[in-house]
Amino acid sequence: KAGVTQTPRYLIKTRGQQVTLSCSPISGHRSVSWYQQTPGQGLQFLFEYFSETQRNKGNFPGRFSGRQFSNSRSEMNVSTLELGDSALYLCASSLNGEETQYFGPGTRLLVL
Amino acid sequence: SQKIEQNSEALNIQEGKTATLTCNYTNYSPAYLQWYRQDPGRGPVFLLLIRENEKEKRKERLKVTFDTTLKQSLFHITASQPADSATYLCALDGGSGYALNFGKGTSLLVTP
Repeated sequence: KAGVTQTPRYLIKTRGQQVTLSCSPISGHRSVSWYQQTPGQGLQFLFEYFSETQRNKGNFPGRFSGRQFSNSRSEMNVSTLELGDSALYLCASSLNGEETQYFGPGTRLLVL
Repeated sequence: SQKIEQNSEALNIQEGKTATLTCNYTNYSPAYLQWYRQDPGRGPVFLLLIRENEKEKRKERLKVTFDTTLKQSLFHITASQPADSATYLCALDGGSGYALNFGKGTSLLVTP
């Protein structure tokens, strides 16, 4: 079974731009979660989607948004990028949102 | 506020020895605790989950203990190998469902 895939793997943007990241979960998994990882803050939960509905949201500003499609693929969008948004963005999937998360390789975003 | 603490200093041990990593938490009453391994440039990989009513769990050379009174989990790797070198993250359920809260991880280096 193929693992979680994320595209693109690397991205360079400038302040003020917006970015969209994509995640394809493991086949059959309906829950997709997004995390931001930085050296200073570690891994922080952004949001979780299940059957196209956001069920949980972390403590991030409204510039961070996401959605999930009927095939369980998910996208997250960051608008008006700031330097502090430079991070590794990780997507994780699970069958129904239960405990064990299967992570993708991440998208490394650099904001200049 | 809720806090998860892992030893920020890297742990250096010799091949064949037992590595012990610590995860302490405050202001949580987790239903379970998980350990993940993360290699540079990759997403975390699930290792073990231990529930609040379990004291100890084993998987091959790995052992996890969970003391809800001390609010602490210990993660042991016996007969460590250089291939075990990685960052190890502990994660607790966020309490509100469908979210994991992670510690910042401990870097383990096993030298031959």
